[in-house]
Amino acid sequence: DTGVSQDPRHKITKRGQNVTFRCDPISEHNRLYWYRQTLGQGPEFLTYFQNEAQLEKSRLLSDRFSAERPKGSFSTLEIQRTEQGDSAMYLCASSIQGAGELFFGEGSRLTVL
Amino acid sequence: AQKVTQAQTEISVVEKEDVTLDCVYETRDTTYYLFWYKQPPSGELVFLIRRNSFDEQNEISGRYSWNFQKSTSSFNFTITASQVVDSAVYFCALRIETSGSRLTFGEGTQLTVNP
Repeated sequence: DTGVSQDPRHKITKRGQNVTFRCDPISEHNRLYWYRQTLGQGPEFLTYFQNEAQLEKSRLLSDRFSAERPKGSFSTLEIQRTEQGDSAMYLCASSIQGAGELFFGEGSRLTVL
Repeated sequence: AQKVTQAQTEISVVEKEDVTLDCVYETRDTTYYLFWYKQPPSGELVFLIRRNSFDEQNEISGRYSWNFQKSTSSFNFTITASQVVDSAVYFCALRIETSGSRLTFGEGTQLTVNP
């Protein structure tokens, strides 16, 4: 399978715990994006990388959120001290610079109890 | 700021009916791109089409067609002879040239096709 893959697909955690999600983009894609989607809503942009550089962050990305893409390949999204409001689907997407189309993974669903 | 509105929250049709999903967008930029994505129950967003602001030609792909009208800021999506497998949430999205690669999504339309 050469699509975008995300891990884990589901995560249940207690409030206050830290969680980390991983995304492996399509191999030749240099751009990688994180979005968050809550029930009944469209995806909301969180941040994106071009190669290893994080070029843009949304105001939705509070200080408890951090994303990295250390070698310009896979990326991690960490949420520290989770809150119930963090419960959502976290979507990763990748693209080739300039092409426009984003290719999405199946998402990582977070439930904070 | 840009915005995408999908006024239809849910649509239910019977198989073989035609159905149109509406999308209205707002932007002050003259260069922008419009997209439609399909999200089946599995959760993965599937890319369907991209249109740039300088290309108002309508497009047809099999049972799918798209009607882009800059005069009304609309980019509507029609499925002809709908099938049960078309049941999904459909999202319209906008990207402006000056926003990097950020996509602004609408809230989606849940389409249910009943046999």
